[in-house]
Amino acid sequence: GAVVSQHPSRVICKSGTSVKIECRSLDFQATTMFWYRQFPKQSLMLMATSNEGSKATYEQGVEKDKFLINHASLTLSTLTVTSAHPEDSSFYICSARTPSGAEQFFGPGTRLTVL
Amino acid sequence: RKEVEQDPGPFNVPEGATVAFNCTYSNSASQSFFWYRQDCRKEPKLLMSVYSSGNEDGRFTAQLNRASQYISLLIRDSKLSDSATYLCVVRIGNTPLVFGKGTRLSVIA
Repeated sequence: GAVVSQHPSRVICKSGTSVKIECRSLDFQATTMFWYRQFPKQSLMLMATSNEGSKATYEQGVEKDKFLINHASLTLSTLTVTSAHPEDSSFYICSARTPSGAEQFFGPGTRLTVL
Repeated sequence: RKEVEQDPGPFNVPEGATVAFNCTYSNSASQSFFWYRQDCRKEPKLLMSVYSSGNEDGRFTAQLNRASQYISLLIRDSKLSDSATYLCVVRIGNTPLVFGKGTRLSVIA
């Protein structure tokens, strides 16, 4: 089946630093990828929709200048958490939609801890 | 009101038990429905899609009632390996998946 990879799987950083997370679709070209965030015991919350070759669409309440998304190719989207703070500590999960739009596969997630 | 609401859980059941999860969704335009399973500190994985006619996959049975905007998942003969969080998920057209908060299941030996 289709595979989506995510790197790194875990990152611990100091407050104020920036962290980049990569999401790759390995088996198919994904014109659309999604970035979710999940806090402990909460549901996955959509942060933004990443479209190849165009600007990402952010959900209400998500700061686009803080969470930079780049979808430069059909198989790679990156999320950069700029000037990370402890409240940004969370589980970040990307998802890629197949070209038909019928299926959406998830990456293994990145656990971010900001000290 | 949240878009997708689920039983709060947790459900603690013995092996072999039958357990049912319920879910309601608020947007009547929702067209696709799923149950996902999420293990601790892992990504969600598709368990099964849910169809209006109801569908079964081994020990798992899913039902959809569009009139009531209600979805259910029944697990028969629970196994220890069924312990996880079960997420009710809906979608309108090709928009992103919308997740419920999940219901945690613990199957006890």
